[in-house]
Amino acid sequence: QVQLVESGGGVVQPGRSLRLSCAASGFTFSSSSIQWVRQAPGKGLEWVAVISYDGSNKYYADSVKGRFTISRDNSKNTVYVQMDSLRAEDTAVYYCARGWSFLDYWGQGTLVTVSS
Amino acid sequence: EIVMTQSPATLSVSPGERATLSCRASQSVNSNLAWFQQKPGQAPRLLIYGASTRATGIPARFSGSASGTEFTLTISSLQSEDFAVYYCQQYNNWPRTFGQGTKVEIK
Repeated sequence: QVQLVESGGGVVQPGRSLRLSCAASGFTFSSSSIQWVRQAPGKGLEWVAVISYDGSNKYYADSVKGRFTISRDNSKNTVYVQMDSLRAEDTAVYYCARGWSFLDYWGQGTLVTVSS
Repeated sequence: EIVMTQSPATLSVSPGERATLSCRASQSVNSNLAWFQQKPGQAPRLLIYGASTRATGIPARFSGSASGTEFTLTISSLQSEDFAVYYCQQYNNWPRTFGQGTKVEIK
C-alpha cells in the first residue's frame, strides 16, 4: 500500500536549520511528484513546495522561497526539504503528499517547533 | 496568488441531515479543485478532485459541484464520522492555495 513517512522534525532555535525527509513506499516513486504542506498549531493548511518526479521542476510558497530547498533521491525513494533561517512562524506540522495536481496520499506529518 | 474563500467557517448539523459547504476562487481555476477532510490529530484525506470526482473509497454521500468560480461540497446525510474540518484547494496555478476551512460540528 502507498505509504509516506515524514521524519526530521524537532525543536530548533530561530535562525538555525533543519532537514525533513519523506520516505515513500508502495508505488513507483520515480514517476511521482511530491509536495510539502504545513499546518501551524490550530490553523489551516498552507502549501509549501513541490518537486516533480525527476527533480527538474520545483516551486515554492513565497513565505519560504530563498530559505527552503526541496530535493529528492530516487535511489532512496526519499524527498527532502532543507529549511534554513528558520523563524517562529515556521512552527507547524509538515506533511508530505503525493501528486503534481491533486494530493491523493499524505503522510502523518512531523512537527517542527522554532523557539529559543 | 489565487485566494480561496470558504463559507461558513462553522456549520452545525444534526446527524442524518444534509450539509452544504462552499468555496469560492478569486479567479478561474477551471475544474482544478480538490476537497479534503481532516479530523483532529490526523492528516488530511482527499475526498474530491476535479471539482466533482470522488477519490477512491469515498462514500457516495459526498459529492462536489462547480459553477464558474464557486464550488460546493455536499454531504447528503451526515454520519458521526463526518464531523471534521473540510478544506478546498485549487491546483490550477502555482502557488497552490487552500481555503481556510469549514468545521462541521454536531448540532
